[in-house]
Amino acid sequence: DTGVSQNPRHKITKRGQNVTFRCDPISEHNRLYWYRQTLGQGPEFLTYFQNEAQLEKSRLLSDRFSAERPKGSFSTLEIQRTEQGDSAMYLCASSQRTGIREKLFFGSGTQLSVL
Amino acid sequence: DQQVKQNSPSLSVQEGRISILNCDYTNSMFDYFLWYKKYPAEGPTFLISISSIKDKNEDGRFTVFLNKSAKHLSLHIVPSQPGDSAVYFCAASYGDGDMRFGAGTRLTVKP
Repeated sequence: DTGVSQNPRHKITKRGQNVTFRCDPISEHNRLYWYRQTLGQGPEFLTYFQNEAQLEKSRLLSDRFSAERPKGSFSTLEIQRTEQGDSAMYLCASSQRTGIREKLFFGSGTQLSVL
Repeated sequence: DQQVKQNSPSLSVQEGRISILNCDYTNSMFDYFLWYKKYPAEGPTFLISISSIKDKNEDGRFTVFLNKSAKHLSLHIVPSQPGDSAVYFCAASYGDGDMRFGAGTRLTVKP
C-alpha cells in the first residue's frame, strides 16, 4: 500500500493526558499537511511541512499542539494536556508539489475522543 | 471566517438522474478549486479540479463548472450511481496558500 498511513486509527484519552499521532506520507511527496475535522465541518488546516521545514501554522494550532517531521519523512502531531474540545478527526495529507497546482492525498485519519 | 461555503448539508437523488452539488466562495484570490469525496471511516479522496482560467472541466461522469463572477462552482454527476453516495467537499486555494474546505454535502443516490 503506497497511500498515506495514519496511526492509530482511534484514540480515547482522558482530559489532561498527552497524545501523539503519526503520519507516514506517500514516499515521494515532499509536502505534508495536518488538518482537523469536526462533525458537520470540512477539514480545517492546522500546519504543513515542506521536507523537514514547518512552513505555516494556523491560529487554530494552540501552544498545546506541536508537530514535527524529522528528516522530512514521517510526521508526528502531539497534543499536550488534552481538552474535550480537542475531540475530532485528525487528518494527514501529502502532496508532491508540481508548479503551483497541487492536490492532496489524505490518510484515513485518527479519531480522537477526549473524555 | 468561512471562505468556502456549501449551503446544502444533504442531497438525495434517484439512480440515473443528475446530481448537482453547489459551492460558493468569498475570497476572490482563489484560483484553483477541487472536489473531494469522502466515504465513512476513510479520508477524503480527490475527485476533480478546475483552474480559474477555465469555466468547465469534465472527467467521465463528473463535470465541474466555475462561475468566477458569481464566485460559484458546481459539481455535476451524470448519471448518478448508488456508489456515488458519500460526502462531497469543495476546496479552494491560491498561490502557495493552504487549501480551504467547505463543510460538505452528503449525497445519497437511491436505487
